[in-house]
Amino acid sequence: GAVVSQHPSRVICKSGTSVKIECRSLDFQATTMFWYRQFPKQSLMLMATSNEGSKATYEQGVEKDKFLINHASLTLSTLTVTSAHPEDSSFYICSAQGAYSNQPQHFGDGTRLSIL
Amino acid sequence: ILNVEQSPQSLHVQEGDSTNFTCSFPSSNFYALHWYRWETAKSPEALFVMTLNGDEKKKGRISATLNTKEGYSYLYIKGSQPEDSATYLCAFINTGTASKLTFGTGTRLQVTL
Repeated sequence: GAVVSQHPSRVICKSGTSVKIECRSLDFQATTMFWYRQFPKQSLMLMATSNEGSKATYEQGVEKDKFLINHASLTLSTLTVTSAHPEDSSFYICSAQGAYSNQPQHFGDGTRLSIL
Repeated sequence: ILNVEQSPQSLHVQEGDSTNFTCSFPSSNFYALHWYRWETAKSPEALFVMTLNGDEKKKGRISATLNTKEGYSYLYIKGSQPEDSATYLCAFINTGTASKLTFGTGTRLQVTL
């Protein structure tokens, strides 16, 4: 099946640091990639949708200057949490989808971000 | 805001039991419903993508049904095994929102010997 690699799996860093998370589709071309965030005991919440070569579409309430998304190729999208603060601590997970919207999304393993 | 609800929140069954759980979603503007299985320390794995009212899909001992008119889907597991222990997530797609998934909070299934 389709494989999506997400790195790093865990980050612990100081407040004010910027953190970059990578999401790679290893064996297929991901036309669209999605970034989700999950708070404890809540569902996965979509943060933004990115299409290769174009600007990401952010969901309401998600600060685009805080969460920078780049989708430079059909196999790589990155999420950078800029000047992270303790309230940004969360579980972040990406998914990738091929050319057709009726296909399932393929998820990475997620990144646990802890800001001290 | 789309409301996708799953019940029960958690479920504990014995090996060999059959079980089922529910996903409720808005009955208007339906495009698709996805089911995923999410085992601890792994990535969510796609089980089914359902698009048509009355759809029934099967993968081994797991099957799912879809009723778009009343806004629900059932996931069934026949003869549960310990390896079925996971959180089962459903996710709804609205027409006009492309591939945007709205997830439920999941049903956590634990199967014991």
